[in-house]
Amino acid sequence: AQKVTQAQTEISVVEKEDVTLDCVYETRDTTYYLFWYKQPPSGELVFLIRRNSFDEQNEISGRYSWNFQKSTSSFNFTITASQVVDSAVYFCALTSNRDDKIIFGKGTRLHILP
Amino acid sequence: NAGVMQNPRHLVRRRGQEARLRCSPMKGHSHVYWYRQLPEEGLKFMVYLQKENIIDESGMPKERFSAEFPKEGPSILRIQQVVRGDSAAYFCASSPPNQRGPRNEKLFFGSGTQLSVL
Repeated sequence: AQKVTQAQTEISVVEKEDVTLDCVYETRDTTYYLFWYKQPPSGELVFLIRRNSFDEQNEISGRYSWNFQKSTSSFNFTITASQVVDSAVYFCALTSNRDDKIIFGKGTRLHILP
Repeated sequence: NAGVMQNPRHLVRRRGQEARLRCSPMKGHSHVYWYRQLPEEGLKFMVYLQKENIIDESGMPKERFSAEFPKEGPSILRIQQVVRGDSAAYFCASSPPNQRGPRNEKLFFGSGTQLSVL
C-alpha cells in the first residue's frame, strides 16, 4: 500500500525565516512520482513540483527547494526567506507507475507571520 | 487555454436533496479524476474516468455517489440524498490522452466545488 505522511500539521514562522516541510512516503513500487501542491486560502490547488523516483537531484526554484532522498523515503520542501504570501496548506503526494491515482498526505498548514 | 473548470464554486443542499457537480477538463484532455477533501484532511481519490468509461471507482462510496464523463459535455459527479457527512470540497483534475494518469506530467486541478449540506 502507498502512503504519504506529513507529520507537521501546522507550522508558524516569522517572515523571512526559512522553513522546511517534511514528507515521508511508502511504496513498494520502484517507479513512482512525488508531488508538492500548495492550497492557498482561496482553496485551489497549485502544482509546485513533480519528481520521479529515478531523479534524485535536488531542485531549486527561486525561494523553493526540494530535497529528495530515497534512502530515507523523504521528499522535503524548504522555503527560504519566507513571505506572508507563502501562507497556505501544502500537500505532498505520491503515485506510481502502476496506479492512476495520486495519494495525498494530510497537509501541513503554514502560517507566515509578518 | 482555459484550465479545468468546475461549477458551481459553492453548492448548498438540504439533507435528502441531490447534488450535481460539474467538471470541464482542459481542452484536449480526456482523462478526469475526482477527489474529495474533508475539512482538515488531505484529498482522497474517488474516481477516474475517461470519455464514456469509468476506469477506477475504488474510492467512490458504494451508495448514493455516481460519476460520468459523456462523449460530449462535462464530467458530472452526482450525490443523491445528500447527508451532512457529504459536506466537503470536491476537486476535479484532468490529464491528456496517451499520458495515462499523472505519471507523465502534472495533474491539472480545478478550483473545486465546496458542498455544504444543511
